[in-house]
Amino acid sequence: KQEVTQIPAALSVPEGENLVLNCSFTDSAIYNLQWFRQDPGKGLTSLLLIQSSQREQTSGRLNASLDKSSGRSTLYIAASQPGDSATYLCAVSKVYGGSQGNLIFGKGTKLSVKP
Amino acid sequence: EAGVVQSPRYKIIEKKQPVAFWCNPISGHNTLYWYLQNLGQGPELLIRYENEEAVDDSQLPKDRFSAERLKGVDSTLKIQPAELGDSAVYLCASSREAGTDTQYFGPGTRLTVL
Repeated sequence: KQEVTQIPAALSVPEGENLVLNCSFTDSAIYNLQWFRQDPGKGLTSLLLIQSSQREQTSGRLNASLDKSSGRSTLYIAASQPGDSATYLCAVSKVYGGSQGNLIFGKGTKLSVKP
Repeated sequence: EAGVVQSPRYKIIEKKQPVAFWCNPISGHNTLYWYLQNLGQGPELLIRYENEEAVDDSQLPKDRFSAERLKGVDSTLKIQPAELGDSAVYLCASSREAGTDTQYFGPGTRLTVL
């Protein structure tokens, strides 16, 4: 059974700092890995999607890497801003049978960027 | 392009009452998902539709939950009767295809069962 773990559960940093969020998964048979952002009381916003054949994806100040063999992904946020404060969720897409494509989520990392 | 639309945004009911949630996916998205999110947890899939067919409902508690996606566009998720433990956020998402495409989420419906 696929399990996704995110460490740390919460993180507080001063504005301008570079930071890394970690995600690990137990089964390397995945279609892709996605990073989402969730603001309080809101739905999820997709940040980056990495296909299983890719190693990394970049969007603006965000860079996500994927090491499928070791079951790890990192989300790097450069020059953090207070507006980056949110919960960041990692999810992997299942491969097998009728469940292919279904996302398995971690519990998220709650990020707080202090001005 | 309009995003995924859900209604209502909030619902408060007493236990044993029925409740229904509605979702309209992004135009052209064939795949529709319903997720349940408890406080402090990641979303968990309840059911996935490919067009109007429910292709994965293995996590849907069928004794009280039901869903439909008539005409392969919008969808309704129903709970009858609701229990205290059903209090959660119900999220709808859609994608062009299952598996490789980004899933786009709606704002969710926050259900409180008293």
